[in-house]
Amino acid sequence: SQQGEEDPQALSIQEGENATMNCSYKTSINNLQWYRQNSGRGLVHLILIRSNEREKHSGRLRVTLDTSKKSSSLLITASRAADTASYFCVPINYGQNFVFGPGTRLSVLP
Amino acid sequence: DTAVSQTPKYLVTQMGNDKSIKCEQNLGHDTMYWYKQDSKKFLKIMFSYNNKELIINETVPNRFSPKSPDKAHLNLHINSLELGDSAVYFCASSLYSGRDSYNEQFFGPGTRLTVL
Repeated sequence: SQQGEEDPQALSIQEGENATMNCSYKTSINNLQWYRQNSGRGLVHLILIRSNEREKHSGRLRVTLDTSKKSSSLLITASRAADTASYFCVPINYGQNFVFGPGTRLSVLP
Repeated sequence: DTAVSQTPKYLVTQMGNDKSIKCEQNLGHDTMYWYKQDSKKFLKIMFSYNNKELIINETVPNRFSPKSPDKAHLNLHINSLELGDSAVYFCASSLYSGRDSYNEQFFGPGTRLTVL
C-alpha cells in the first residue's frame, strides 16, 4: 500500500479565493480519491479520478491527475468558511489497503 | 437517514476494562472497515470485512477483535484497554467490486475513546 503526500501541510486563504492542494505518490495507481475531514467528524468522499482520466469536476471542485509525474491536485474555487477542513488524497492500487497521509489543513477566513 | 452510524460517540473508561464500539450501515454495502486516528491525526486501517469475512487485518494487538454478525454491522471489541488505545475510531463501508476496483468509502462520525 502507498500513501499520498499532501502539500502544503497547511493553507490559509480568504473567503472567495481559490485553494489548491497537491498530492504526490510513488508508484503506479488504478485510481486516486480525495476526502475531506471537518474538525471532529468523519471523512467525506469528495471525488474519485481513474488512472486514465486527466481531469474531473464536481461542483466547485476540480481534480487533475498526471500519472507521468505521479501527482494530483485539488482546486476548490470560490472558497467558503465551510470548506475549512483537512483534505486527504488516497492513491489506490487494487488489492491494497487505503492509506491516508497527514493531509492538508485548509483554513478559509471570513 | 444516517448512512454509517457508530455508538457510542464518546467513551471514557479506565485502563484494563473491556469495551465495545458498534457500527451499522444502511447503504447496502458489503464491505466494512475500522480505522484508528491518533492524536497526530494519522488515519490507519485496522480491519476490513467483506460479507462478514475478514479480508484485511493490519498489525493490531489481538486485544482488538472485530465481530460482524451480518454485512450491515461491524462491531469492535477491545479487551484490557491501555492508555495508548486512546484515539478516535472510525467505521466505514463501501461497495466491493472485487480485486479490480475500489469504490469510495463512507465514514461514520467516529467514536472518541479516552482511556484513563
